[in-house]
Amino acid sequence: NAGVTQTPKFQVLKTGQSMTLQCAQDMNHEYMSWYRQDPGMGLRLIHYSVGAGITDQGEVPNGYNVSRSTTEDFPLRLLSAAPSQTSVYFCASSYRRRDAEYFGPGTRLTVL
Amino acid sequence: DQQVKQNSPSLSVQEGRISILNCDYTNSMFDYFLWYKKYPAEGPTFLISISSIKDKNEDGRFTVFLNKSAKHLSLHIVPSQPGDSAVYFCAASGGNTGKLIFGQGTTLQVKP
Repeated sequence: NAGVTQTPKFQVLKTGQSMTLQCAQDMNHEYMSWYRQDPGMGLRLIHYSVGAGITDQGEVPNGYNVSRSTTEDFPLRLLSAAPSQTSVYFCASSYRRRDAEYFGPGTRLTVL
Repeated sequence: DQQVKQNSPSLSVQEGRISILNCDYTNSMFDYFLWYKKYPAEGPTFLISISSIKDKNEDGRFTVFLNKSAKHLSLHIVPSQPGDSAVYFCAASGGNTGKLIFGQGTTLQVKP
């Protein structure tokens, strides 16, 4: 099993550009989530999904969109990047909502 | 308002001694608590968890203690090893959503 994979590992964007962070898992997990990690802030939940076709907002959803068309994939879209979105982004998955989550290796995003 | 707090940004201990990492929470609806460990440039990995029906859970060198009346949990690592040097995050969930709320993290350094 590859576990949770994320692409790209690094990305630099200009303000106003859009992009999609990819996340995939091969463990047949129902629950998937996106977090961002900022210095002194820990990990904050952006969006999550409890199954294909079902998504909901976390703590800091503004500026991000998600969709879950398959069990395996959970992409995160930045519609118009802002410098405040400079962060490290982690995707995670688990069998069920309250199980311990498996995290991907992260995407380091810089918005200039 | 930070619902999960790790008030010590860093901790340094000698190899072989005990490491104690602390975490406080404010939401009485939290009923499931987890600790994650994170190395640089990697995603967090699950370490140990505890349900609110227990006050202690052990896994090898790692023990988590929960004091519900004080809304406090701690992670004990005995004996500490240099490979334990990492950032440790506590997380809590509870209520209908089961969403994980993370603390800010504590950087542990174990000196040989």
